[in-house]
Amino acid sequence: DAGVIQSPRHEVTEMGQEVTLRCKPISGHDYLFWYRQTMMRGLELLIYFNNNVPIDDSGMPEDRFSAKMPNASFSTLKIQPSEPRDSAVYFCASSLQGRGSSGAFFGQGTRLTVV
Amino acid sequence: GNSVTQMEGPVTLSEEAFLTINCTYTATGYPSLFWYVQYPGEGLQLLLKATKADDKGSNKGFEATYRKETTSFHLEKGSVQVSDSAVYFCALRDSSGSARQLTFGSGTQLTVLP
Repeated sequence: DAGVIQSPRHEVTEMGQEVTLRCKPISGHDYLFWYRQTMMRGLELLIYFNNNVPIDDSGMPEDRFSAKMPNASFSTLKIQPSEPRDSAVYFCASSLQGRGSSGAFFGQGTRLTVV
Repeated sequence: GNSVTQMEGPVTLSEEAFLTINCTYTATGYPSLFWYVQYPGEGLQLLLKATKADDKGSNKGFEATYRKETTSFHLEKGSVQVSDSAVYFCALRDSSGSARQLTFGSGTQLTVLP
């Protein structure tokens, strides 16, 4: 299995632009998580899905952030409009229910820089 | 709510030194416990896990024992290598309720010098 695949690996954009981050979870996994990592705040859970349905989006910082999971093999995290304080590394992770002892598998992350 | 408290870093050791990174947790149910490692520029990778009290997780020379009485899951390695330089995260997943998300500690930066 190729693991969790995120794209792009790096994104540099200007303030005010729309940014879309993409994630392909591990095939067969039914949970998908979006995290944000910064030096100041560490790892923050933004939102997670179960069977493509958003379960908890309480970590989404503002209405500028939105996430979708149109099918079991694809999810997007969109920021519109982007701001410099959104600069961070965004991680996608997936896991399988029923294996409560299992952790989550992480992608390599998207490093977002908003200038 | 659930929380994980990790020893603050950074930690700097010489090669072949003994490593301990402390981790304690608070959970409402019976959590599974994990250590993740993040190498520079990479995502988090599962290092080891333990699912019940007194279980010992081990991998790549690292070990951690699930101690329910002290709510701890300290990471240890007897002889670190330069290649172990990374950020280490302690995490838990509560088995109660429907939540399946991991709760992470703040991470501990380890640097091993040759």
